[in-house]
Amino acid sequence: AQSVTQLGSHVSVSEGALVLLRCNYSSSVPPYLFWYVQYPNQGLQLLLKYTSAATLVKGINGFEAEFKKSETSFHLTKPSAHMSDAAEYFCAVSLQGGGYNKLIFGAGTRLAVHP
Amino acid sequence: KAGVTQTPRYLIKTRGQQVTLSCSPISGHRSVSWYQQTPGQGLQFLFEYFSETQRNKGNFPGRFSGRQFSNSRSEMNVSTLELGDSALYLCASSLGTTALYEQYFGPGTRLTVT
Repeated sequence: AQSVTQLGSHVSVSEGALVLLRCNYSSSVPPYLFWYVQYPNQGLQLLLKYTSAATLVKGINGFEAEFKKSETSFHLTKPSAHMSDAAEYFCAVSLQGGGYNKLIFGAGTRLAVHP
Repeated sequence: KAGVTQTPRYLIKTRGQQVTLSCSPISGHRSVSWYQQTPGQGLQFLFEYFSETQRNKGNFPGRFSGRQFSNSRSEMNVSTLELGDSALYLCASSLGTTALYEQYFGPGTRLTVT
């Protein structure tokens, strides 16, 4: 079975500070891993995904994540937070291959950015 | 290119009624997945359709059903609504049926059951 744990339901940072959102996964087979962002009253937007190529994945809006198999982690980082980064972030896992699109999401982390 | 559209955006229903939600995928996308988002349970997978066939189903009661039409548009139906069905229902479309294909999400339909 697969699962995702996001540590910290709320994270608050100052504008310009490092953003670190934590995600740990559990999967019995090699996973695909994703980070999505959700702004108020909107759907989800893909930030980046890991599909077993490079372990350091760069995404949109300056975000990146590193797949660490030994730690079963896929933490999301951004060197310098911007006010527009305030949103809810979801880590998700899916099976490699599998032939289906089912995503299993973490509970989400709400990021607040203050001046 | 137009994104995923969902109609209606907001809906209020009474317990015991049924509801149908619609999702129009991005042109050319043949896979449509549905998710339920609630504050308590988070984002949960409902089902996925590809070429009019249900390929996978989440752990939801039989009151939740769906279908896909030949133009890839999809509908989901919830019968005998319960208060706990109040949620944001998200639809996502993609080109294919593996997670290698990016899933594009619509804005959702917010269902309130009173």
